[in-house]
Amino acid sequence: DAGVIQSPRHEVTEMGQEVTLRCKPISGHDYLFWYRQTMMRGLELLIYFNNNVPIDDSGMPEDRFSAKMPNASFSTLKIQPSEPRDSAVYFCASRNSGGGVDTQYFGPGTRLTVL
Amino acid sequence: KQEVTQIPAALSVPEGENLVLNCSFTDSAIYNLQWFRQDPGKGLTSLLLIQSSQREQTSGRLNASLDKSSGRSTLYIAASQPGDSATYLCAVPNDYKLSFGAGTTVTVRA
Repeated sequence: DAGVIQSPRHEVTEMGQEVTLRCKPISGHDYLFWYRQTMMRGLELLIYFNNNVPIDDSGMPEDRFSAKMPNASFSTLKIQPSEPRDSAVYFCASRNSGGGVDTQYFGPGTRLTVL
Repeated sequence: KQEVTQIPAALSVPEGENLVLNCSFTDSAIYNLQWFRQDPGKGLTSLLLIQSSQREQTSGRLNASLDKSSGRSTLYIAASQPGDSATYLCAVPNDYKLSFGAGTTVTVRA
């Protein structure tokens, strides 16, 4: 398996623009997580899905952030409008609730810079 | 709310020295604890997962211990190598979420 795939790997945009981050989880995994990592706040969970349904979005910072999972193999995290303080590395992770292996597998992340 | 703390924040050692990384958590009602490694500009890689019924877990030169009652875990890396230079994070589950520590950044000098 190719692991969790994220795109783009790097994104530079200007304040006010819409940003869409994409994630393809590992095939067969039924949980998908979006995290944000900054120097100041470390790694924070934004939202997670189970079987494509959002379960907990309490970590989503503002209404400017939204996430969708239209099917089991694809999820997006959208920021509109983007602000400089959104600059961070955004990680997607997935896990399989069955099989006895209780760990999350992380993608390589998307480094977002908002100017 | 689960709080996870890692000490020290950074560590620099000469090659060959043993490493000791500490992780503490406030809510001892956990069912496992994980240690991850993060290389610069990369994602996280799971190193070890200790179930709550275990006291330690070993993988090669890595050994992780867990003391639930005191809310502590320790990651030992024996005979460190420059390739061990990375940030190490511990994480505990909260339902299906993970709460992470801020990490310990390790530099092993050749």
